[in-house]
Amino acid sequence: GAGVSQSPSNKVTEKGKDVELRCDPISGHTALYWYRQSLGQGLEFLIYFQGNSAPDKSGLPSDRFSAERTGGSVSTLTIQRTQQEDSAVYLCASSLAGTRQTDEQYFGPGTRLTVT
Amino acid sequence: GQSLEQPSEVTAVEGAIVQINCTYQTSGFYGLSWYQQHDGGAPTFLSYNALDGLEETGRFSSFLSRSDSYGYLLLQELQMKDSASYFCAVSGAGNKLTFGGGTRVLVKP
Repeated sequence: GAGVSQSPSNKVTEKGKDVELRCDPISGHTALYWYRQSLGQGLEFLIYFQGNSAPDKSGLPSDRFSAERTGGSVSTLTIQRTQQEDSAVYLCASSLAGTRQTDEQYFGPGTRLTVT
Repeated sequence: GQSLEQPSEVTAVEGAIVQINCTYQTSGFYGLSWYQQHDGGAPTFLSYNALDGLEETGRFSSFLSRSDSYGYLLLQELQMKDSASYFCAVSGAGNKLTFGGGTRVLVKP
C-alpha cells in the first residue's frame, strides 16, 4: 500500500518568507509526527498529533512554527519568517495508534528546506 | 528530559559483526527503538524493546537492560547494503520518540 508522502521534496526560499510543508500519512494511521533533521544529525521532535486530542507541541522551536492536521489525515507544517537556521530536512511519520506497546513509525521521504 | 549517547561511527568488513551501544537518560521510559537510515533516505524501523532481553530479527538483534539504561543493536554477517546510519530512540511520555545522534556504519569489502 501507499506509504507516507510529503511535498514538496525540495524547497528553496528566501529568508523572511513563509513556507508550508505537507504530509499525507498512511491511511488509517491515527498518530502523526513531525521531526527535523539537520545534516549529519539525529532527528529532533517537533510536534505530535494523536486522533482528536490536542497536539503535543512541546518540540516546536519557536512561535514561527505551527502545524495543523485536518480531518485526522493530512498535516501541514508552516514556518513563518524563515531563518537560515531553519534549513534542514523535515520528516513526517505516522503510526497506527501511537500506543506505547510499539512505536513503529513509518517515515516519509522528507522535505529538504533551504533558506537563502 | 531525555538524552541518548551512541558512537558516531563504526567501520567493519563484510561478514563481520558490529555492536552499536546506546545509553540513555530519561524522565520516563517505555521502550527503546532502533531505526536505519541510508544516505538521502527515510528512517526505517528495525526493532523495539520494551522489556529486558534480546530480540532477534534475522541478521539484526537488539538488547535492552532497563536497570542499566542501556541497549545495543547487533548487526551480524555484515553486507555492503548495511552501510547506513543507525539511530536508537527512546519512547517516553507523550508517545513521541527522542533520537540519539546516530551511528554511521561503513562496511568495507
